[in-house]
Order: sequence, then C-alpha cells, then structure tokens
Amino acid sequence: RKEVEQDPGPFNVPEGATVAFNCTYSNSASQSFFWYRQDCRKEPKLLMSVYSSGNEDGRFTAQLNRASQYISLLIRDSKLSDSATYLCVVNRGFNKFYFGSGTKLNVKP
Amino acid sequence: NAGVTQTPKFQVLKTGQSMTLQCAQDMNHEYMSWYRQDPGMGLRLIHYSVGAGITDQGEVPNGYNVSRSTTEDFPLRLLSAAPSQTSVYFCASSYEASGSYEQYFGPGTRLTVT
Repeated sequence: RKEVEQDPGPFNVPEGATVAFNCTYSNSASQSFFWYRQDCRKEPKLLMSVYSSGNEDGRFTAQLNRASQYISLLIRDSKLSDSATYLCVVNRGFNKFYFGSGTKLNVKP
Repeated sequence: NAGVTQTPKFQVLKTGQSMTLQCAQDMNHEYMSWYRQDPGMGLRLIHYSVGAGITDQGEVPNGYNVSRSTTEDFPLRLLSAAPSQTSVYFCASSYEASGSYEQYFGPGTRLTVT
C-alpha cells in the first residue's frame, strides 16, 4: 500500500470555481503534513503546511483529520495561474518525507 | 541566496557508465535529500542526510551512493547506470521549524540512460 494516495485527476474547472483535493496517508506515525505545488517540468514548491485545526492562506484552505488519516485542500475562486499538479506530502520526523503522486488541476477560461 | 542548485540540468548516459549528480545549498540547512520522480509515481526518496558525515537510505537506494562531507554539498553517485534509472532527480534541503520540516528543492536533473 502506498504511503500517500491521491486522485490523479485531472480536475478541469472554469475560472472562479471552487475545487477540492483529498489525500489519505497510511502511517499513523506521520507527524507533519504539507501541500506542494509543481508546475510542468519544474521543482515542487511548498504551498502550505497543514495543521490539525485547519488553516487558510488567501484562497487556499487546508484541513487535516488525523483520526481518518485524511488531508484536504480547497481552492476558492480558481485562477488560470492555479493550473498545476498539487502534491500531498507527509513527514515522519527528521528528513523522511513521503509524497503522493499528485493531483493535476486545469483551470480553463 | 541561490537556494538549492543542481548540476547538470540534463544528462544522457550509456548503460554501465557512472556519474555524479551535484547538489549544493547555501541556506545552512542541516538536512538534505535526493529524490527521483517518475511518471505517475510521485517523488521517491533515494538517500537523505541529517548533517555532515551522516547519511541514510530512503525508499529506493539501490544503485546509488551518497556522501556528505560538508553542510553545503550532497552529491549523488550512480555506480553503473541502468535504463531503469532514467528519471528526473531532485535534491532538496530542509530545516526544522517548531517541530515541522520545510523542504526547498533544486531545479532537477533530467537523466536518460540508453
């Protein structure tokens, strides 16, 4: 079983739409959680950390459910520039990060 | 700050050749890692280091060696290249902040083994 599972998509949405991505992780010892964004043929970049209480950064909201081992990312008012692959990442301490295979988002005019 | 730099950007090797992928960071981060990214597989951890002189294996270490003689540099060596090692390789550095770890990635090396 994969450490981190995500729906690969693609999610095709119009500008202005709200879209949500989910991911599940298999190891309950996972300590910290992140969403990264990766543009085509570029390196991943940190979008936001995910906290148990939920957190928001502008149009982006992340939620963590430790009991269900489930992480979500909500994007409101989608922009063309949000088109990318979104990677769900968990950390099990020190330098051990586990990546999902990513969810592709296409925002269309 | 240059952040994390990787060289080369592209490389073509023949089966059996060896080479070293270079990675350097100027952020004084304690932790560094190497990943490979294959289509549909996400990033997989090859080797990582928690400080100069300390390295450990990740999920897919076979066929690769690393060393960390300085905080700044973390080269990845392919001992005898195989077509299965065709991939995009990313180096990352990270630091601990309030019990969490944030990673910064280099631009990647695209390797083709023929």
